[in-house]
Amino acid sequence: EAGVTQFPSHSVIEKGQTVTLRCDPISGHDNLYWYRRVMGKEIKFLLHFVKESKQDESGMPNNRFLAERTGGTYSTLKVQPAELEDSGVYFCASSQAQRQNSYEQYFGPGTRLTVT
Amino acid sequence: DQQVKQNSPSLSVQEGRISILNCDYTNSMFDYFLWYKKYPAEGPTFLISISSIKDKNEDGRFTVFLNKSAKHLSLHIVPSQPGDSAVYFCAGTYGGATNKLIFGTGTLLAVQP
Repeated sequence: EAGVTQFPSHSVIEKGQTVTLRCDPISGHDNLYWYRRVMGKEIKFLLHFVKESKQDESGMPNNRFLAERTGGTYSTLKVQPAELEDSGVYFCASSQAQRQNSYEQYFGPGTRLTVT
Repeated sequence: DQQVKQNSPSLSVQEGRISILNCDYTNSMFDYFLWYKKYPAEGPTFLISISSIKDKNEDGRFTVFLNKSAKHLSLHIVPSQPGDSAVYFCAGTYGGATNKLIFGTGTLLAVQP
C-alpha cells in the first residue's frame, strides 16, 4: 500500500510569488489534513478535509492560503502571494473514516518551502 | 497558548538504557494522546497512543504513561537502541468531528552506542 505522497519535496520561491503544494493521501482515506512546522517549532494544524468538504479550517493563517480537494482524492494548498513567514515544512496526513479509538494519522514526507 | 509542551528539547541516552520523554498539556478536553517519531527529511510516523481513560499503554519496547491529575504523560523506551535516535512529538486530540492533532515542539533523542 502506497503511503501519503507530497510534491514537490522542496520549493524555493521569492516573496510575492505563488506556490502550489500537492498531497496524495492513502487510497481510501476520507480524511486529509494539512499541517505546518515553522523553524523547529511545533507542528501546527492548518485544515481538515472529509472527502471534498472542508471540515475545519481554523488553523489557516490568512486568506493568502487556499486549499482544495476536488473529487475527494488529492489536495492542493496554494500560497498566493507568498511572504517570508510562510517558510517552513508543510505536512499532509490522511486517515480512514472515523473508527472507535483510532486517531492515528499517516503523514507524508513534507514539502519544505523557502520564501526568499 | 501552547496546549502541549515538551520542555526538554533534547535527550541523550546510552544504548540499552531507558529513555524517558516527557510531555505536559494544559487542555483537559483532550481525550486521546499520541506519540510520533520523526527522522530527518521524513514525515512523522505513529508510535503509540493512549486514551484519556487509561493510565498506561504498552507496545513492545514502548510504554506510555498518563497522569491526568498532573496533566502529564511520558514515553518510556526500554531498552533504547541507536535506531531510536529521532525527534519525538507528543500530540493530543479532542476527537469529535475533526480529530486534529495538537503537537508539542518535540524532543530530539540521541541514543549513543
